[in-house]
Amino acid sequence: AQSVTQLDSQVPVFEEAPVELRCNYSSSVSVYLFWYVQYPNQGLQLLLKYLSGSTLVKGINGFEAEFNKSQTSFHLRKPSVHISDTAEYFCAVRVNQAGTALIFGKGTTLSVSS
Amino acid sequence: ETGVTQSPTHLIKTRGQQVTLRCSSQSGHNTVSWYQQALGQGPQFIFQYYREEENGRGNFPPRFSGLQFPNYSSELNVNALELDDSALYLCASSLGAGTGAYEQYFGPGTRLTVT
Repeated sequence: AQSVTQLDSQVPVFEEAPVELRCNYSSSVSVYLFWYVQYPNQGLQLLLKYLSGSTLVKGINGFEAEFNKSQTSFHLRKPSVHISDTAEYFCAVRVNQAGTALIFGKGTTLSVSS
Repeated sequence: ETGVTQSPTHLIKTRGQQVTLRCSSQSGHNTVSWYQQALGQGPQFIFQYYREEENGRGNFPPRFSGLQFPNYSSELNVNALELDDSALYLCASSLGAGTGAYEQYFGPGTRLTVT
C-alpha cells in the first residue's frame, strides 16, 4: 500500500528566509507526486507536480520540489518566503492505475512571521 | 471556464440524520472524486465516479454513497450520521480516471458539523 509522510507538522520561519517542507512516500509501483496548498477555509490548490522527466519541478508562487527516487522523497522548497505563504501544505501521491485517487500526507503548517 | 463548485458551504446535522452534498465538476471533466478532511488531517479518499459509475473506493463504510449525473455533477450521501463524520468534504474533478497523471481540481469544500 502507498503512504505519504510529511516529516514536520509545523514549520515557523521569518519572512524572506528559505524554507524546506519534507515529504517521503512509500510505494512499490511508479507514482505521480503532488504538492497542494490550502489557505484557511478554502479548498486545495495545486502548487506543482512530478510526472516524469526532470527531477526538479518548478511550480507557482516561486516554489520548487525535487524528486529523489532512491530516497523516495519529494521535498518542497522556496528560497525566500512571504507572509502570504502562511498556509497548510499537503504532499500527495497517486499510483498509475485506473480508479485510484490521491493519497495525502497529514500536512505541514507553514507560519511566516515578520 | 467555471471551476469546481460545491454546495452547501456549511451544514449542521444531528447524529442519525442523513445528508446530501453536491458538486459541480469543472467544464469538460468526466471524473469526480470525493475526500473527507477531518480537522488537522490530510484529505482521505472516499470514492471516485467516472462516467456515472463508481470507479474506485477508499476505506469508508457503505453508508457513504454517491451518484454522478449525465452532466458529470455528483452527490455524496451519508446515512446514519455519526459525530466522527464532522469534517470538510472536498470534491475534485479531473479529465479521465484511467492510467495517466490526471490532475485533480478541488472545490472549496462543504463543512459538515454533526451534533
